Amino acid sequence: ETGVTQSPTHLIKTRGQQVTLRCSSQSGHNTVSWYQQALGQGPQFIFQYYREEENGRGNFPPRFSGLQFPNYSSELNVNALELDDSALYLCASSSRDGSEAFFGQGTRLTVV
Amino acid sequence: GQQVMQIPQYQHVQEGEDFTTYCNSSTTLSNIQWYKQRPGGHPVFLIQLVKSGEVKKQKRLTFQFGEAKKNSSLHITATQTTDVGTYFCAGRGTSGYSTLTFGKGTMLLVSP
Repeated sequence: ETGVTQSPTHLIKTRGQQVTLRCSSQSGHNTVSWYQQALGQGPQFIFQYYREEENGRGNFPPRFSGLQFPNYSSELNVNALELDDSALYLCASSSRDGSEAFFGQGTRLTVV
Repeated sequence: GQQVMQIPQYQHVQEGEDFTTYCNSSTTLSNIQWYKQRPGGHPVFLIQLVKSGEVKKQKRLTFQFGEAKKNSSLHITATQTTDVGTYFCAGRGTSGYSTLTFGKGTMLLVSP
């Protein structure tokens, strides 16, 4: 167990809806990163938060947004869901130097 | 942007055979990390390499970081069925608070 927990574990949404995914980071870690992993692909970086501020973003549209809270937990919000958003969404927490990322078990999102 | 490529995409070996996966980055890396993801699971950190030419061993696993810090390899000696999974390399760039870029992974299947 990594100490990183994500909720929910599975989710089914309809195209056009909005979704919020949650992640609690490992104790002592102040950096949280979110990744999208399509079937058979490697994790694709969405964005990273450090001390409640976004400090890195991958090639994802603005409808992907996030938050980090004072306790370093985090949320990923996706608006106007599209079928291609169906994927495993992974949260990873790390210390500031990012020497090792601890992944949660992921949220499997299916958009129909 | 930074790209990380891995080969092969897939390898099927008999138990006891060796296995190697290769990782190449389009840009020089500050460090490279390796992760293992079991089917249905989440990526689990294996190791980080930082120094040019670095070689690290973990039991039957040998990790190398190239002299130019743009390529890396993972070699497994005498594979076992417990080695089954997808192995990802993830490179971190050299600028500021660079984030991890994952390769697409190499899926390893081991037959008894």
